[in-house]
Amino acid sequence: DQQVKQNSPSLSVQEGRISILNCDYTNSMFDYFLWYKKYPAEGPTFLISISSIKDKNEDGRFTVFLNKSAKHLSLHIVPSQPGDSAVYFCAASGGSNYKLTFGKGTLLTVNP
Amino acid sequence: EAGVVQSPRYKIIEKKQPVAFWCNPISGHNTLYWYLQNLGQGPELLIRYENEEAVDDSQLPKDRFSAERLKGVDSTLKIQPAELGDSAVYLCASSLGQGQNQETQYFGPGTRLLVL
Repeated sequence: DQQVKQNSPSLSVQEGRISILNCDYTNSMFDYFLWYKKYPAEGPTFLISISSIKDKNEDGRFTVFLNKSAKHLSLHIVPSQPGDSAVYFCAASGGSNYKLTFGKGTLLTVNP
Repeated sequence: EAGVVQSPRYKIIEKKQPVAFWCNPISGHNTLYWYLQNLGQGPELLIRYENEEAVDDSQLPKDRFSAERLKGVDSTLKIQPAELGDSAVYLCASSLGQGQNQETQYFGPGTRLLVL
């Protein structure tokens, strides 16, 4: 039973346009959500997070939106740059459980 | 500030051989995690340490896997004997506090294991 789902294995975007990566979750106990970026042969790098008490968090070109009623979050990257090309993982934790539950990732390709 | 350090970065062994991975967390981080990442999947937790205590090892296959975190800093993850299905990336992560659910975990580069 996959509690965190990233239904798009890949996404291709033109440089300068917006990239939108989506994530759905099923566990209503989750109250903290994170996005990690991963380049080949490297570990995941923390990108941005959001607590369930908020519905938006912004950091430079990266914005995460949380829709608790729909159990859905999204990561917006504006403007997209070729260096953003990587695998993006959505992760969640909550309740008394510190554990991060990850999605399978979405490969973002930003074309020059 | 140095990040999470892991070694070796790559390891190739024959099945039934033992293997060990080492991790040094970010300075001052009390909580350390070992994750397993299979190809095309997200990381999955194997074990979590708070200081030197393993507070959750429920996902660790204890028949062949073991881990230790002596002195509450560095940690070692061992597999003995290794099986073909153990081929994966082993990631170490650390976080500042006591594993509170709203803490950010920072990952090392991982050790890529290939069992032949």
